[in-house]
Amino acid sequence: EVQLVESGGGLVQPGGSLRLSCAVSEFTVSTNYMNWVRQAPGKGLEWVSMIYPGGNIYYADSVKGRFTISRDISKDTVYLQMNSLRVEDTAVYYCARGLWHDYWGQGTLVTVSS
Amino acid sequence: EIVMTQSPATLSVSPGERATLSCRASQSISINLAWYQQKPGQAPRLLIYGASTRATGIPARFSGSGSGTEFTLTISSLQSEDFAVYYCQQYSDWPLTFGGGTKVEIK
Repeated sequence: EVQLVESGGGLVQPGGSLRLSCAVSEFTVSTNYMNWVRQAPGKGLEWVSMIYPGGNIYYADSVKGRFTISRDISKDTVYLQMNSLRVEDTAVYYCARGLWHDYWGQGTLVTVSS
Repeated sequence: EIVMTQSPATLSVSPGERATLSCRASQSISINLAWYQQKPGQAPRLLIYGASTRATGIPARFSGSGSGTEFTLTISSLQSEDFAVYYCQQYSDWPLTFGGGTKVEIK
């Protein structure tokens, strides 16, 4: 069964850093488009970042220069390093597979607050 | 950035009735459009990709149509489990963008 499991969320102060992980099973991150998508409390979905099978990387303007997506093929895990966090980054962060997102994780909550 | 606009924001429908949701792109995206369903406390679920192709396991009462800038998701006969929020997303150009969502509620 295809699974994506996010971890690493929590409470962090503005300006702080956090690294999210997304461990996958029954497929490999090296041959799939992998994404991070977030959802602020009570709001809609916002695409954050994607890493291509070939390694190309794209970001939403709202996180460019602050967030970094990466992957560890040996662990079949995708990461999102989040630096210079702002209150407006507070959201549930989902990991999702594919250009159109056919599988999603359960999400991990990131709260940025003093 | 391609802006995706969904309408209406809320749709009140009785069980068994037909629901028609609209999604408009600010520029042509060909058929590079997906639809998702999200229920409270759950991750989104892919319903449609390529504007009209149902994802694996999605019932035939869900159908998608359109190309270019105008798209429609139709639920032919609403079941109780279909009351949820629906999002469209374009994957034609970067950044990928979602519409604001349409909430389908019980009338």
